[in-house]
Amino acid sequence: EAQVTQNPRYLITVTGKKLTVTCSQNMNHEYMSWYRQDPGLGLRQIYYSMNVEVTDKGDVPEGYKVSRKEKRNFPLILESPSPNQTSLYFCASSLSLQGGEQYFGPGTRLTVT
Amino acid sequence: QKEVEQNSGPLSVPEGAIASLNCTYSDRGSQSFFWYRQYSGKSPELIMSIYSNGDKEDGRFTAQLNKASQYVSLLIRDSQPSDSATYLCAVNKGPGTASKLTFGTGTRLQVTL
Repeated sequence: EAQVTQNPRYLITVTGKKLTVTCSQNMNHEYMSWYRQDPGLGLRQIYYSMNVEVTDKGDVPEGYKVSRKEKRNFPLILESPSPNQTSLYFCASSLSLQGGEQYFGPGTRLTVT
Repeated sequence: QKEVEQNSGPLSVPEGAIASLNCTYSDRGSQSFFWYRQYSGKSPELIMSIYSNGDKEDGRFTAQLNKASQYVSLLIRDSQPSDSATYLCAVNKGPGTASKLTFGTGTRLQVTL
């Protein structure tokens, strides 16, 4: 089954404790992206990647890191999480490098206390 | 001015009626336009894409694009209770802007029995 998977689905952590949210797709897509979704603000792009070792900032990259060492994986790293990073996070992938027709993962709900 | 604007709703329509969802965008150079549906607690899923002026139909869904007016809409005919969800408009700025997808905050649709 074609899918984007994320882990963990739910995470509660404390300020400053480094964490990684994994994202994997099995569709051989070149384009992958991370979003956060907050009430009233909608989906905002954090980072995206157009291929292995090619990443770029989206609209809200501060406080986040990403890496793309393999085509299928695109982890999101929070080196020192803060409460304002409490949000619902989605990973997405697309066959098209224009990235418009995206397949989303199930989401990761992160709470930073 | 927001880059992609949608009325947050809720838009309430009776079962069997036509639901009309609207979206405006600010960047006149935008090239690609998408409608995603998001059920409560779930991830967004693509339902329509449109790239040129005019109408595009897919089953009960019709996307309409007017680049001169910077306006894109989604019509849902014969609305069903299962159509109750939040509908997200997304815009891609096209070649040279490297796959940056900008989302509106969504319109919540309620289909009543």
